[in-house]
Amino acid sequence: AQTVTQSQPEMSVQEAETVTLSCTYDTSESDYYLFWYKQPPSRQMILVIRQEAYKQQNATENRFSVNFQKAAKSFSLKISDSQLGDAAMYFCAYRSLGATTGTASKLTFGTGTRLQVTL
Amino acid sequence: DGGITQSPKYLFRKEGQNVTLSCEQNLNHDAMYWYRQDPGQGLRLIYYSQIVNDFQKGDIAEGYSVSREKKESFPLTVTSAQKNPTAFYLCASSTYARYEQYFGPGTRLTVT
Repeated sequence: AQTVTQSQPEMSVQEAETVTLSCTYDTSESDYYLFWYKQPPSRQMILVIRQEAYKQQNATENRFSVNFQKAAKSFSLKISDSQLGDAAMYFCAYRSLGATTGTASKLTFGTGTRLQVTL
Repeated sequence: DGGITQSPKYLFRKEGQNVTLSCEQNLNHDAMYWYRQDPGQGLRLIYYSQIVNDFQKGDIAEGYSVSREKKESFPLTVTSAQKNPTAFYLCASSTYARYEQYFGPGTRLTVT
C-alpha cells in the first residue's frame, strides 16, 4: 500500500518570501500522479498543482512549483512571493495511474502541513 | 457555474440515529468519492463510485452506506453502527480524462 508522509506539521513564512513544504511517499509502482491540495480556513479542498510521474519536468503554476525527485520519492512544494491568502493547510496526495478502476482511483493523503504567513 | 454542492454545512444528530449527507455535482464527472477528515489526519476514503449503480468500499467503510442512482448524486448515510461519526466529511468527483479530484465544501457532522 502506498503511504504519504509530510514531516512538517507547521511552517511559517513572511509575506513575499519563499517557503518549501516537504512530502515523501512510498510506492512500488512506476506510474502515478502526485498532487498538492490547499485547505484554507473555509475547509474547501483546492487543487494547487499536479505532477505526472513519467514527466521529468517539474510542474509549475504561477507562484507554485514542485521539486519532484522520483528516485528519492520526494515531492516538495515551493511557494514563491508568499501572500496572506496562502495561509492554509497543505496536503500532499498520491494517485496510482495504473488503472482507472478499483482502489487505484483513490487518493492517498499525507497528514498535512499548516502554513502561516506573517507580515 | 459547475461545481460540487454538499448540504447541509453543519449537521447535528443524536447518537443512535442514521443521518444522510448530500453530495451533488454538475460537472458531468463519472466518478464520485466520500472522504472523512479528522483533526491531525489527512483525508481517508470511505466509499467511491465509478459509474451509476456501482460503488466500492474504501479504507474505512464500516458504519457507512452509499447509493449512486444518478450520475450527479452520491449521498452518504452514516449509520448508528459507526462508532465515532463526529467528523468533517468531504465529497469529491473526477473524470476519467484527468486524475485530479475536485472537492465540495464539506459537511461538519456532530453526533452527541
